[in-house]
Amino acid sequence: QVQLVQSGSELKKPGASVKVSCKASGYIISSYAISWVRQAPGQGLEWMGWINTNTGNPTYAQGFTGRFVFSLDTSVSTAYLQISSLKAEDTAVYYCARDLDPEHYFDCWGQGTLVTVSS
Amino acid sequence: DIQMTQSPSSLSASVGDRVTITCRASQSMSDYLNWYQQQPGKAPKLLIYAASSLQSGVPSRFSGSGSGTDFTLTISSLQPEDFATYYCQQSYSTPRTFGQGTKVEIK
Repeated sequence: QVQLVQSGSELKKPGASVKVSCKASGYIISSYAISWVRQAPGQGLEWMGWINTNTGNPTYAQGFTGRFVFSLDTSVSTAYLQISSLKAEDTAVYYCARDLDPEHYFDCWGQGTLVTVSS
Repeated sequence: DIQMTQSPSSLSASVGDRVTITCRASQSMSDYLNWYQQQPGKAPKLLIYAASSLQSGVPSRFSGSGSGTDFTLTISSLQPEDFATYYCQQSYSTPRTFGQGTKVEIK
C-alpha cells in the first residue's frame, strides 16, 4: 500500500542543522509531488512548500526561504527536508505528504517528525 | 495569499448529532477545497477533496459541499471516532493555505 515513512524525532541545539527524511513505498516517488507541512505545538497546519519529484524543483512558501531546503533522492524513493541555523521557534512536528496533481490535495501523509530545538 | 477562515473554532456535540463546519475563502477558488481530519498525536487524514469528492475508504457520513468562497463539511451522524480537529485547505493557488481548524469535542 502507499506509505510515507519519516525519520525519527530529533533534539537539536540552537544553531545546529537537521535533515528529516520521508521514504515513499507502494508507488513511484517521481509520479507525484511531495509537500511539507509544519505543525507547531498546539497549533494548526502550515504549508511549507513542495518539491516536484520529476524535476527536483522546490517551491517554498513565504517564511520558509533561506534556511529550509527540500531535496530528493529518487534512487532510494526518499524526499528530504533540511533546516539549518535552527531556532527555538522551529520546534514543531514536520509532515511530508503526497501531493496529487493537478488538484494538489494530500492523500497520504507521513507519520510526522518532531524536531525539538533547545539548549 | 488566499486566507481560509473556519467556523466555529470548536464545538461540542453528542454521538449521533449532525455536525456542520464551514470554511470561507478570501477569494473565489472554484472547487479547489479539501478537508482533513486530525486526531490527537496523529497525522492528518484526507476526508474530502475537490469540495465534494469522498476519499476512498472514508465513511459516507462525511460529505462536503460548496464552490467559490463558501464551503461546508457535514458529518451526518457523529460517531465516537469522529471527535478530532478538522481543517480545510485550499489548493487553488500557492501557498496552499489551511484554515485554523475546528475542534469537535464530546458534549
